[in-house]
Amino acid sequence: EVLLVESGGGVVQPGGSLRLSCAASGFTLNYNFFAMHWVRQAPGKGLEWVSLINGDGSRTYYGDSVKGRFTVSRDNSKNSLYLQMNSLRKEDTALYYCVKDRGYDSPDGMDVWGQGTTVTVS
Amino acid sequence: SYELTQPPSVSVSPGQTATITCSGDILGYTFPSWYQQKPGQSPVLVIYQIDKRPSGIPERFSGSNSGNTATLTISGTHVLDEADYYCQAWDGNTDVIFGGGTKLTVL
Repeated sequence: EVLLVESGGGVVQPGGSLRLSCAASGFTLNYNFFAMHWVRQAPGKGLEWVSLINGDGSRTYYGDSVKGRFTVSRDNSKNSLYLQMNSLRKEDTALYYCVKDRGYDSPDGMDVWGQGTTVTVS
Repeated sequence: SYELTQPPSVSVSPGQTATITCSGDILGYTFPSWYQQKPGQSPVLVIYQIDKRPSGIPERFSGSNSGNTATLTISGTHVLDEADYYCQAWDGNTDVIFGGGTKLTVL
C-alpha cells in the first residue's frame, strides 16, 4: 500500500518561507514512474491545485496563485517530494496535501493522498 | 484560465440515484476525474478517465461525459456516500483545475 506522509508545516509570518516535505513508501513500481502533486485546502473551502512535477522531475507546473513564489522538486533516490514556499501570504493558509498521480508525465487521476500538513500564515 | 462549475449541493434519498454535474469548456477534450471527501478526511479518487473506477470503489459509482459536461452518478445511494465531491481535469497544457465541489446530502 502506497503511503504519503507530509511534514514541514507550521506558523509563519507574511513574507516568510517554509519548506514542505513528503515521504513516499510502499510503491510496487518505482516512485519515479509517477507524477506527484501538491494540492491545498483552505479552512472550510474546496480543493486547490498547487503544483505538479512529472516522474523524472524534468517538468513542473504551478497554479496561478503560487507561480513565481513556490518551487516543487523531488528526490527519486529518497522517494521524496518537496515544496519550497517563499513570500508567503495570508491566503496561503491551508492544509497542504502531497498527492500521487496515476500518470507519469501528465495527470491521469490522483489516486493516493497524504493526510496533509497545515500551513498558517499569520 | 479554465473553470469547472459544479452545483454547490445535491440532495438524494437513500437508495435513490444521485447525479452530480461538472461543466467546463475543457471537458470537451480532456478526461475528468472525480474525488470524494468526507469530513476530516483526505480526498479519495472514485472515477478517473471519465468513467473508470479504481479498485475498491463500489460499482454504484459511475462517470460519463457529454460535450462540455461530466457527470458522476451514484446508484442506490447509501448514507455513507454523504460527502463533498470534486471534479478535476487537466487542460492538456499547464493547468490542473478542480471544480468548486458539491455537497451530497443523503436523507
